[in-house]
Amino acid sequence: AQKITQTQPGMFVQEKEAVTLDCTYDTSDPSYGLFWYKQPSSGEMIFLIYQGSYDQQNATEGRYSLNFQKARKSANLVISASQLGDSAMYFCAMREGRRGYQKVTFGTGTKLQVIP
Amino acid sequence: ETGVTQTPRHLVMGMTNKKSLKCEQHLGHNAMYWYKQSAKKPLELMFVYNFKEQTENNSVPSRFSPECPNSSHLFLHLHTLQPEDSALYLCASSQDSGTDGSPLHFGNGTRLTVT
Repeated sequence: AQKITQTQPGMFVQEKEAVTLDCTYDTSDPSYGLFWYKQPSSGEMIFLIYQGSYDQQNATEGRYSLNFQKARKSANLVISASQLGDSAMYFCAMREGRRGYQKVTFGTGTKLQVIP
Repeated sequence: ETGVTQTPRHLVMGMTNKKSLKCEQHLGHNAMYWYKQSAKKPLELMFVYNFKEQTENNSVPSRFSPECPNSSHLFLHLHTLQPEDSALYLCASSQDSGTDGSPLHFGNGTRLTVT
């Protein structure tokens, strides 16, 4: 079974509107972390936001927020007030367990296109 | 200067060539990673080094050989590759001490084409 599932291969959003990118995960580890990364066409993976499995509140970073629903095992990314520069691939990822390094599993990504 | 630097950005090589990818991180991190990104597939973890020691080899073929001479530098030596090895190879680093929330910091990647 896939550990990270992103069911939306592509999404469109009007500039200045909000958009939600879906992510569900599968783990039996009680300690895990969830990340979202942005990959523009230039190729670099840019860290956006992090949610720990024990965090009580949803994570927020500027225009990014993570809608964490632990019982549903979902960690959707919400981008508010979309900008043209938000057009990119977005990857959800999960780190399991506590180790001296991170074994991080990525989803297949969602391509977001912001329409002027 | 970016935190994680990869060279070269693009590489075209024949199946009989030997080449190396280089990664350098300027963030003082203690863990470094190689990931492979192929079209329409999730990023695949290849190797992990923690404090210069290889801690993960994700069933990668021996034609890929990593080297980590110190905690700031990571190499991926390539020899007798196959066309299906064509992909974007991403290096990443992180500061890990067993706590949550330390994100991976990625380089821009090397776009490898095997002919």
